Amino acid sequence: EVQLVQSGAEVKKPGESLKISCKASGYSFTNYWIGWVRQVPGKGLEYMGIIYPGNSDTKYSPSFQGHVTISVDKSTSTASLQWSSLKASDTAMYYCARHIAYRTWDYFDYWGQGTLVTVSS
Amino acid sequence: QSVLTQPPSTSGTPGQRVTISCSGSSSDIEDNYVYWYQQLPGMAPKVLIYRNNQRPSGVPDRFSGSKSGTSASLVISGLRSEDEADYYCAAWDDSLSSCVFGGGTKLTVL
Repeated sequence: EVQLVQSGAEVKKPGESLKISCKASGYSFTNYWIGWVRQVPGKGLEYMGIIYPGNSDTKYSPSFQGHVTISVDKSTSTASLQWSSLKASDTAMYYCARHIAYRTWDYFDYWGQGTLVTVSS
Repeated sequence: QSVLTQPPSTSGTPGQRVTISCSGSSSDIEDNYVYWYQQLPGMAPKVLIYRNNQRPSGVPDRFSGSKSGTSASLVISGLRSEDEADYYCAAWDDSLSSCVFGGGTKLTVL
């Protein structure tokens, strides 16, 4: 059974760093892209970027390029999303999701349960 | 502001048919596939329609999708109370080289 299990909720102060994780199981981790999607409370979905664990090829949405870093650890089948300096506007639910295709854009077929990040002084 | 435009809300009564629209441009919907996701309250999104009009296994045939030019639509027939959710369209945007979502439509079943 394919599962993406995300790390727990975080409460941070502005300026702090953070890394959240997404542990995959039930499939070959290196063969599928993993993406991240942000959802600000009460708002819609925003695509952040995607990484191919097989070679760490990473593509960011222009809206998030330079603001976050997406990485993977193949040894633990875990994808991560990190910030070096959080802002209050980073407060949101963050979802990881497996992308079904390799060469062309398609859809996210499995999703994590989400990690709620709250940034407040 | 989202790249793809959806109505913020819609409603219907059980058994009715509802249509949710998604408007884009030549760089996204017109030249690429459209996808629809359903997000039940408090849950992660789930794909309902892929590649304009295809349903993953397990999605009832009450859900259907179509695309014409720079617009797409999701139709839900035989509306049920469990369909009350937020619905998002998505597509690849060639000019941004990125996936883009619509702002989402909240469906209320009266």
